Amino acid sequence: RKEVEQDPGPFNVPEGATVAFNCTYSNSASQSFFWYRQDCRKEPKLLMSVYSSGNEDGRFTAQLNRASQYISLLIRDSKLSDSATYLCVVNEGDSSYKLIFGSGTRLLVRP
Amino acid sequence: NAGVTQTPKFQVLKTGQSMTLQCAQDMNHNSMYWYRQDPGMGLRLIYYSASEGTTDKGEVPNGYNVSRLNKREFSLRLESAAPSQTSVYFCASKEGQVNQPQHFGDGTRLSIL
Repeated sequence: RKEVEQDPGPFNVPEGATVAFNCTYSNSASQSFFWYRQDCRKEPKLLMSVYSSGNEDGRFTAQLNRASQYISLLIRDSKLSDSATYLCVVNEGDSSYKLIFGSGTRLLVRP
Repeated sequence: NAGVTQTPKFQVLKTGQSMTLQCAQDMNHNSMYWYRQDPGMGLRLIYYSASEGTTDKGEVPNGYNVSRLNKREFSLRLESAAPSQTSVYFCASKEGQVNQPQHFGDGTRLSIL
């Protein structure tokens, strides 16, 4: 089993739609969680950290479910500019410096 | 505010040539990392340096060496380049605390003929 698993997609949605991605992780000792965004052939950029209580940043909401070991990302009112690959990232066990990157979920927002 | 700077941005090598990819960060981060990303694939960790003076192998270290020159700089060396090392290489850095994310440079696109 991969340490961090994501549905590769692509998720093809119309502008204005709401879309959600899930990501599962295997190590129950993991403590930090992030969503990154990566545009084609560009560097990954931090979208948001994921806190135990959940957090929201504009149209983006992230949730953590420790019992089931998954994190989610909800995007409301999708924009064309949201088209990208979304990477789920989890720290390795209790390591403070080693992060494990999922392979990403591709989102295509169509007009 | 440069963040993580990688040089060069593009490079073409012939099989068997050697080269060093440079990475520097100005955020006073303890940890630094080298990844490679092949087309349509996820990031794969080559080497990392948890702190100045230490380096460790990642998932795909074969064919590479690294040097943590000082706290700011972490270089990746290909001693004898092979076509299988054609890839985009990303350097990243991170603060030491567990809840801190990694910050990436904008990559080096390397082609080996």
